[in-house]
Amino acid sequence: KAGVTQTPRYLIKTRGQQVTLSCSPISGHRSVSWYQQTPGQGLQFLFEYFSETQRNKGNFPGRFSGRQFSNSRSEMNVSTLELGDSALYLCASSYLAGVIYEQYFGPGTRLTVT
Amino acid sequence: AQKITQTQPGMFVQEKEAVTLDCTYDTSDQSYGLFWYKQPSSGEMIFLIYQGSYDEQNATEGRYSLNFQKARKSANLVISASQLGDSAMYFCAMREGGGAQKLVFGQGTRLTINP
Repeated sequence: KAGVTQTPRYLIKTRGQQVTLSCSPISGHRSVSWYQQTPGQGLQFLFEYFSETQRNKGNFPGRFSGRQFSNSRSEMNVSTLELGDSALYLCASSYLAGVIYEQYFGPGTRLTVT
Repeated sequence: AQKITQTQPGMFVQEKEAVTLDCTYDTSDQSYGLFWYKQPSSGEMIFLIYQGSYDEQNATEGRYSLNFQKARKSANLVISASQLGDSAMYFCAMREGGGAQKLVFGQGTRLTINP
């Protein structure tokens, strides 16, 4: 079974631009979560989508948005990029295995804002 | 609010020794789950082990075991017979009960295995 895939793996953008990151979950997984990882703040939850609906949202400004398609693929968009948005963005897909929600992460997209 | 604390920023261990990575948590929920992930320098988060709050037995997965002490709110990861490939960042995380898949992570412990 293929794992979680994220594209692109690396991205360099200029301050003020916008960016779209993509995540394809493991086949059969309907929940997709996004996290931001920075050296200063660590790993922080951005949002979660389940069956095309945002089910949970972290404490990030409105410049960060996302969506999920009917095939469970998800995209994350960041508008008006700031230098502080430079980070590793991780996507995770989840499914219920018995009583356990197993959550698997993709390799991440490393975004650099200059 | 949920909180995860990992008090060991870095650990150095000789190959083949056992190692314990500490994790304490704080939550007011009765139902929650605890995870450990490994993050090599490549950046990918690798799922290691899971413990549910109602599980009476400590979770084990191969060389990994979770020492779950609910009253003390601790969920330490034990790696037996460490290998050079175990060198990585290790994160403890918690998920609240219910369907939402939001994980709260600790700051991580960088483990270095010496030959």
